[in-house]
Amino acid sequence: GAGVSQSPRYKVAKRGQDVALRCDPISGHVSLFWYQQALGQGPEFLTYFQNEAQLDKSGLPSDRFFAERPEGSVSTLKIQRTQQEDSAVYLCASSSQGGGAYGYTFGSGTRLTVV
Amino acid sequence: DAKTTQPTSMDCAEGRAANLPCNHSTISGNEYVYWYRQIHSQGPQYIIHGLKNNETNEMASLIITEDRKSSTLILPHATLRDTAVYYCIVRPRRNNDMRFGAGTRLTVKP
Repeated sequence: GAGVSQSPRYKVAKRGQDVALRCDPISGHVSLFWYQQALGQGPEFLTYFQNEAQLDKSGLPSDRFFAERPEGSVSTLKIQRTQQEDSAVYLCASSSQGGGAYGYTFGSGTRLTVV
Repeated sequence: DAKTTQPTSMDCAEGRAANLPCNHSTISGNEYVYWYRQIHSQGPQYIIHGLKNNETNEMASLIITEDRKSSTLILPHATLRDTAVYYCIVRPRRNNDMRFGAGTRLTVKP
């Protein structure tokens, strides 16, 4: 597609439920990033992939958060045993250059609400 | 440790130039200045970036002071659709994380 696609657009989860958020980057983009954005705040970096390699996961807030990109294209962010503080918009971005030298293209995000 | 300082909010009249300031007094020699904006319910959108020379593209102009401690993003003829949160970010060009602050909420008024 022409842009970064994220699904679902909205997700409501009961506390304790596991969720999986999908990101389809722009075809051929090497780099892929996940961000978390709480209401009224800027996006916070979670993790970074270059092709299938997860090169930085320093932003993942706990071991309940797990991301993968097994074939270097589609990525999934998984949150286990969701908590209310996980409620946020989860943004995915991709870039054609390793390290994002020329700017990232973001998807519209998945709004996760944990009830 | 915030690398940039931006005003929380600004207003601009439709059709006038919007000048958004950013202070980055601790910027390093290898760090670029990036600008993104985020319209409500959308992901951030890349606008422009620069090192030390002024830059212009179809969206905006970026003016960086000679000492590189501050910069200004200029939207030459603001429209209502430019209402958004604008983020100023400094980072090395080949770096794998873009750290966003709170940004400036620009409201363009008719």
